[in-house]
Amino acid sequence: DAGVTQSPTHLIKTRGQQVTLRCSPKSGHDTVSWYQQALGQGPQFIFQYYEEEERQRGNFPDRFSGHQFPNYSSELNVNALLLGDSALYLCASSSQGSGANVLTFGAGSRLTVL
Amino acid sequence: EDKVVQSPLSLVVHEGDTVTLNCSYEVTNFRSLLWYKQEKKAPTFLFMLTSSGIEKKSGRLSSILDKKELFSILNITATQTGDSAVYLCAVLNYGGATNKLIFGTGTLLAVQP
Repeated sequence: DAGVTQSPTHLIKTRGQQVTLRCSPKSGHDTVSWYQQALGQGPQFIFQYYEEEERQRGNFPDRFSGHQFPNYSSELNVNALLLGDSALYLCASSSQGSGANVLTFGAGSRLTVL
Repeated sequence: EDKVVQSPLSLVVHEGDTVTLNCSYEVTNFRSLLWYKQEKKAPTFLFMLTSSGIEKKSGRLSSILDKKELFSILNITATQTGDSAVYLCAVLNYGGATNKLIFGTGTLLAVQP
């Protein structure tokens, strides 16, 4: 039973560029949440997708956008990259049917902005 | 503003020691408190606590929640080098149709042989 898979694992971009990160949820899960974890910090909630809609959003600018597909997979897009966007981006999946209480995390995508 | 505070930020112990990690919170619409272990990248689930005073145990790890005083502790007995990791405390905040996790900054535990 595959867990949460994310791609790419590492990537390097320069300021001003755009990036797309991908996530496939755990089998049986229908909800995907994205978190940003800066070095030495706890993960910060970016947004959550369910039924292909953004259901809740954290304190992140509009440069951060996302999408959920009919197969429940999701993308995180970040435009006009800043140095401060360098972080580990974690995707977490859960199931609304079980109350979406326990999130299963992927290994993350490490983004470095130069 | 919702916040989760963990202490200590880091600690170094020797194998066989017992450690206690602390987590306090001020979060609206509290639903449950979760502990995760993060070694390299993916946080892995340890415990979910919803009711006060009920200890959850898994091997050498245990945790308990006090909803009156708004804190939780995670205990690790007979520590091993494999316990070295960042331990994250998070509160599940119910926001109407969705839940989100509010994390603390974590406690970095280093277990020396």
